[in-house]
Amino acid sequence: GDSVTQMEGPVTLSEEAFLTINCTYTATGYPSLFWYVQYPGEGLQLLLKATKADDKGSNKGFEATYRKETTSFHLEKGSVQVSDSAVYFCALKANQAGTALIFGKGTTLSVSS
Amino acid sequence: EPEVTQTPSHQVTQMGQEVILRCVPISNHLYFYWYRQILGQKVEFLVSFYNNEISEKSEIFDDQFSVERPDGSNFTLKIRSTKLEDSAMYFCASQKGTSDHNEQFFGPGTRLTVL
Repeated sequence: GDSVTQMEGPVTLSEEAFLTINCTYTATGYPSLFWYVQYPGEGLQLLLKATKADDKGSNKGFEATYRKETTSFHLEKGSVQVSDSAVYFCALKANQAGTALIFGKGTTLSVSS
Repeated sequence: EPEVTQTPSHQVTQMGQEVILRCVPISNHLYFYWYRQILGQKVEFLVSFYNNEISEKSEIFDDQFSVERPDGSNFTLKIRSTKLEDSAMYFCASQKGTSDHNEQFFGPGTRLTVL
């Protein structure tokens, strides 16, 4: 079945460092891809999404490009801030109405000043 | 801004007891979901609900689980006889419409601890 694999954490960075969190997927068909973020004590929030190959999702300085040829959707940010410390989840969703999200395990990011 | 709310934030129960986890989805949303995350593991889909019935469920969602939308605002998950392995964070989510790109909005979760 469909699945998502993302890099193990925790990822520990200094402020202003470059961030990459790897995510690869296995799916039949052409799913939509998502990054969700969970700040301490809060629920999952959509960070960005891409719905077809070569789409780039972006938000709050984060970017991810839907790469069909490598089945990847890596999350990047050029300069992280302490406030970016959170757990990041890669997810996919089949393109059918009402279908569920399939999540990766989550990657904890800790940014220090 | 409208948000999904969940109560309680933390529930502790004894093995074999029934628990009901409550969610209030965003008011004009049509699709509702429950997910769970066992500590250190993936967020897993449990069940989706549309038009007052289950539309999809996973292998995890066995006979001890049930969902209900009793009054048009609440969306509940009941576990009839809890097991130790039901200890997890349970997330409720809602989605506005039928477009497959519609965002799912998540609540803050309920941490269930079964002793």
